[in-house]
Parts: sequence; structure tokens; C-alpha cells
Amino acid sequence: QSVLTQPPSSSGTPGQRVIISCSGSSSNIGSNTVNWYQQLPGTAPKLLIYSNDQRPSGVPDRFSGSKSGTSASLAISGLQSEDEADYYCAAWDDSLNGWVFGGGTKLTLL
Amino acid sequence: EVQLVESGGGLVRPGGSLRLSCAASGFTFSSYSMNWVRQAPGKGLEWVSSISGGSGYVYYADSVKGRFTISRDNAKNSLYLQMNSLGAGDTAMYYCARGGGNSVYYYMDVWGKGTTVTVSS
Repeated sequence: QSVLTQPPSSSGTPGQRVIISCSGSSSNIGSNTVNWYQQLPGTAPKLLIYSNDQRPSGVPDRFSGSKSGTSASLAISGLQSEDEADYYCAAWDDSLNGWVFGGGTKLTLL
Repeated sequence: EVQLVESGGGLVRPGGSLRLSCAASGFTFSSYSMNWVRQAPGKGLEWVSSISGGSGYVYYADSVKGRFTISRDNAKNSLYLQMNSLGAGDTAMYYCARGGGNSVYYYMDVWGKGTTVTVSS
């Protein structure tokens, strides 16, 4: 059972916009920034969004992040086949004194 | 090019020990915190341990506290994870990941390809 809660799966058609949610508590998302990671099949995770809404260099602006209270969201617009991957949210937890991850959301293109 | 390369994984019997290494290149190693994150087969990501750039701050997940020890050698640009009293629940791919700054509170911005640890008799 993960400390951060994500839907296990999501799907969309090419060109569509999807939103993946991440729910936490006051000790993690409520008091620290949220990061998102993308893991393509068979590869290592890659930083997708940091500090709630910042994109590292090279990440398309189709990906955006937001945070409100103890929840965060990752939005992907203009879905493409290469977006099929697992997506994880993460935040530092002040009570656990460590990083906590969501259980991951598997994005499938229909 | 910024790069992290893990090594030291393998098959170990329950109760055994293993030492993982992560060789860093392409950046000033001592200026960045470092992390170990693992992923059991078919499961999600699980944070294992973090260490600040100067080794002054070290944190562990409850699941490994007292059994695993993280360390680093800034002169050798290397990160380590000493794993003792291994059990089946420790079977996973272990990733080395760089923190975005000296403090452990930074996001993990660079990841290695991982090294596999299998605990089985």
C-alpha cells in the first residue's frame, strides 16, 4: 500500500488529453513539492515534472503538473503512442523522513 | 555526459549480504545528494535510502533500516549500498539516482539503468 495514491490505470486515444491524479497528506504533498517520473517499458524511470509544475529540459510542453492542497495532477495533452508508460508521483514525507512514491499509473493508448 | 552505472547485483541466499556500487561521471559528484530506489518485479518504485553530498545526512526506509547502509566516496565518485540480512522481499531492480542538489530534499533528476538483486535459496 503506497503512501501516495494514484489510479492504477488510465487510457486515452491519440490526440486526447488525460489527467493522472496523486493524493497524499499534510506530511508529504501538503508540505512539500511533487515530482513526476515516467517509466517506459523495460527502462529506468525518468524525471518528467519537478517542483510541482516545472519541466526539465527536453520534456515536451504537452506534459504539465499542478498541485493543490494535498493532491497533485499530471496532465498529458495531445497523447502520442510514445506516451504509453508507467507514471509515478513522489514527494518528501516529513513524518517518515523519506521519499514516498505513488503506486504508479499505467497509461494505455487505445 | 552525466551518467550513473550500478553494479554488484546478483543472486544471494536468504540471510546473505551484498554490496551495490554506483559509479558517477559527468558532474561534480560531491555537490549532489544521492539515492537508492528499488523496484520489485512487476511492482512500483520504492525509495530505499538517501545521502547528502557531504554524507552528513542519511535516511532509510523503515523496510531496510538496520539492515542496509548507504555510503559514498566523493574522491572516487562512487555511491554504495551495503545490504545485510537479505530476504525474499529485497528481490528487486536497484536504481541509483542523483538528487537535484546537495540536500536530500531535491527531486531525483538522473537515474542509472539499475542492477538486479535476487534473494533465493
